[in-house]
Amino acid sequence: EAGVTQFPSHSVIEKGQTVTLRCDPISGHDNLYWYRRVMGKEIKFLLHFVKESKQDESGMPNNRFLAERTGGTYSTLKVQPAELEDSGVYFCASSQDHHETALWGTEAFFGQGTRLTVV
Amino acid sequence: AQSVTQLGSHVSVSEGALVLLRCNYSSSVPPYLFWYVQYPNQGLQLLLKYTSAATLVKGINGFEAEFKKSETSFHLTKPSAHMSDAAEYFCAVYGGSQGNLIFGKGTKLSVKP
Repeated sequence: EAGVTQFPSHSVIEKGQTVTLRCDPISGHDNLYWYRRVMGKEIKFLLHFVKESKQDESGMPNNRFLAERTGGTYSTLKVQPAELEDSGVYFCASSQDHHETALWGTEAFFGQGTRLTVV
Repeated sequence: AQSVTQLGSHVSVSEGALVLLRCNYSSSVPPYLFWYVQYPNQGLQLLLKYTSAATLVKGINGFEAEFKKSETSFHLTKPSAHMSDAAEYFCAVYGGSQGNLIFGKGTKLSVKP
């Protein structure tokens, strides 16, 4: 069974450009999460999808970030226009059940992350 | 609000020595606590979790952690380090009403031969 796949693994873009990150969750997982780790900081929650709906986007830093989940399958995270402070590693995770309802009986599986560098 | 503090951004041990990675948490509700590991060029992998059952939790690869409410700690240990344990380790707490995981800053473990 394939795990959570993220693409690209690395991206280097110039300030002001647009970048789109993609996450393919494990098949059948309704819950999809995006997290971000800025250099030297904690991994921080960005948002949570249940199928194609945004359940919680309280962690999105600002309106330059747009997340979508087409048909409840893969998800994209677009940054437009990118700023220097957006550099970091973006992680995606998926699970069958939501953290709370499953009391974490169902593990959330993480992808390897996309390292974004804005220069 | 929930938070996690990992003491020591880098820990170095000799192969065969005890591994101790420290994690303290703050939580306004009974906590659910986790340790994740990230090996080079891989995603985060769940090592173990505490969900209010036994206070001593055993995980994969010989790791275990003990929940101590009086000390608000959830330290990760392994009796004998192996070279393959070199990785970055993250402690996390379930965010409660926030519905997400709150991570510490991570601790990089180096294992010397």
